[in-house]
Amino acid sequence: EVQLVESGGNLVQPGGSLRLSCVASGITFSNYWMSWVRQAPGKGLEWVASVKGDGSVKAYADSVGGRFTISRDNAKNSMDLQMTSLGAEDTAVYYCARVYYYDASGPFDFWGQGTWVTVSS
Amino acid sequence: AIDLTQSPSSLSASVGDSVTITCRASRGIASGLAWYQQKPGKPPKLLIYGASILENGVPSRFSGSGSGPDFTLTINSLQPEDFATYYCQQFNSFPQVTFGGGTKVEVK
Repeated sequence: EVQLVESGGNLVQPGGSLRLSCVASGITFSNYWMSWVRQAPGKGLEWVASVKGDGSVKAYADSVGGRFTISRDNAKNSMDLQMTSLGAEDTAVYYCARVYYYDASGPFDFWGQGTWVTVSS
Repeated sequence: AIDLTQSPSSLSASVGDSVTITCRASRGIASGLAWYQQKPGKPPKLLIYGASILENGVPSRFSGSGSGPDFTLTINSLQPEDFATYYCQQFNSFPQVTFGGGTKVEVK
């Protein structure tokens, strides 16, 4: 059974930093692109970042580029999102998702339950 | 970036109705479109990908069609568990993907 478990969400002050983690089980982790998607309270889904299975390719939404860094450790079946210079607009639940990669692209077929990040003083 | 415009943003329906949700892409995305269902407090669930391919385990009352710029999600014979918010996603420009704004299906 595929499981994705996020952790690290917390209340952080504006301008602060936070590191989120996602641990996967039930899959050969290194075979998959992985992504972070966030959802602000009462709002829609927003793609944040993705990383290729071997970590060699990373992509970011314009809204977080230069502030967030995605990484992975395939030996630990884990993926991280380092977030810096956080602002109120980053308040959201952050989901970890697996990419069903086919034909050089793909949707997100498994999702974690999410971890909350609140940016407030 | 490719924008996706979903319509309507909400709709009211009754059990047994058929409902259709539309997603319009700002430029060509071939069949790189997926649909998700999300219930309150839960993560999204993949329903359809490749515009019309039903994900394993998803009931056949869900169907998708279209090839750009307009795509549709149809739910035939709406069931009580189908009241939720639905999102489209384009992955044609992967890894730069985008989501539509969502359509909330509510009880009439």
